[in-house]
Amino acid sequence: DTGVSQDPRHKITKRGQNVTFRCDPISEHNRLYWYRQTLGQGPEFLTYFQNEAQLEKSRLLSDRFSAERPKGSFSTLEIQRTEQGDSAMYLCASSLLKGGGTDTQYFGPGTRLTVL
Amino acid sequence: QKEVEQNSGPLSVPEGAIASLNCTYSDRGSQSFFWYRQYSGKSPELIMFIYSNGDKEDGRFTAQLNKASQYVSLLIRDSQPSDSATYLCAVNHNTDKLIFGTGTRLQVFP
Repeated sequence: DTGVSQDPRHKITKRGQNVTFRCDPISEHNRLYWYRQTLGQGPEFLTYFQNEAQLEKSRLLSDRFSAERPKGSFSTLEIQRTEQGDSAMYLCASSLLKGGGTDTQYFGPGTRLTVL
Repeated sequence: QKEVEQNSGPLSVPEGAIASLNCTYSDRGSQSFFWYRQYSGKSPELIMFIYSNGDKEDGRFTAQLNKASQYVSLLIRDSQPSDSATYLCAVNHNTDKLIFGTGTRLQVFP
């Protein structure tokens, strides 16, 4: 257990429904990342926050996806109008970036999304 | 060309042998390099990272980095069946997002 928690661990939804995932990072970590992983592939970057600011979004993150990190603590990732292609494991990672240091990211257990 | 390339395997080694996992990357500006282990159905678990040329050892694991050749490797000494997993190589450009390879599946047989 890295100390990063995600909820729910599994989500099954029907196409067209909206879903929201939550990530709680390690308490003192200032950075929070979202990745998506499909079978046989490595995780793909979606977006990340430093404190409450969203610093980068991947082109993979269509306008159906939105992420927030209010108050720089937990984060939510919402997918609107889900499609079958959204089925994947959604991974959250957190890190503590200090000046000149290495941004070492620790992953949570993931949320497995299945869109029927 | 993919940014981070790994042989998908499986790499099969007998128990007690040295497993050698390799990774190449395309961006010469890459700064930090990470190895994660991922068991089936689980999330990636950090093994170690390296950012300077040469070797870095941590227990049974040794990471090797050659920036001139854009090559990073992970050696696992005294391989155990519990080491059987997918090993993900990840590269960090500017102390932000990680770019992952597709992973190498390692099988350690008794």
